[in-house]
Amino acid sequence: DVKVTQSSRYLVKRTGEKVFLECVQDMDHENMFWYRQDPGLGLRLIYFSYDVKMKEKGDIPEGYSVSREKKERFSLILESASTNQTSMYLCASSLSTLNSPLHFGNGTRLTVT
Amino acid sequence: KNQVEQSPQSLIILEGKNCTLQCNYTVSPFSNLRWYKQDTGRGPVSLTIMTFSENTKSNGRYTATLDADTKQSSLHITASQLSDSASYICVVSESTGKLIFGQGTTLQVKP
Repeated sequence: DVKVTQSSRYLVKRTGEKVFLECVQDMDHENMFWYRQDPGLGLRLIYFSYDVKMKEKGDIPEGYSVSREKKERFSLILESASTNQTSMYLCASSLSTLNSPLHFGNGTRLTVT
Repeated sequence: KNQVEQSPQSLIILEGKNCTLQCNYTVSPFSNLRWYKQDTGRGPVSLTIMTFSENTKSNGRYTATLDADTKQSSLHITASQLSDSASYICVVSESTGKLIFGQGTTLQVKP
């Protein structure tokens, strides 16, 4: 079974802090994604990567950056956390074929105070 | 604009009963439609995928249908169990690979 592991289940950070969310997958998937999930808004794509050192902006990239130095690891960075970034963050990975499912981690609930 | 709309937003049923969740989409060009189940505190897990040529697909007590002409899909759950309590998310893929997510239906199964 594919395993996608997010380093933290819960995080509490202060406004203005730099925040790192880490995600590791163990199935050699090419694609990795970061989503945020908010009530009433569903899942929204922040960034994705289809290869090492490659990244593409999703629908809501403002205030975020990403890093993919190794194929199995995809990091989401909040340069200066703000209260409107309080959310559930979900990492996912997939093969590069069109019908491949997303495999999600269990999420990181980030609270910015 | 490509959109995916799910209904109802939430649903409460008694254990053992059947239910049907709806997904309407306006995504074009269409590639496939996938249903995910998200348990509380977990990430979504794929239940089934429907491609353009498929009308019905079953996965245990879950049966998904697709009508590509009307751009509608349904997820039917038979003989519901307490463990079916979850959010169900419909995701439609464009032929470019871009994914359009529905907002989900929250199902609560009561004993």
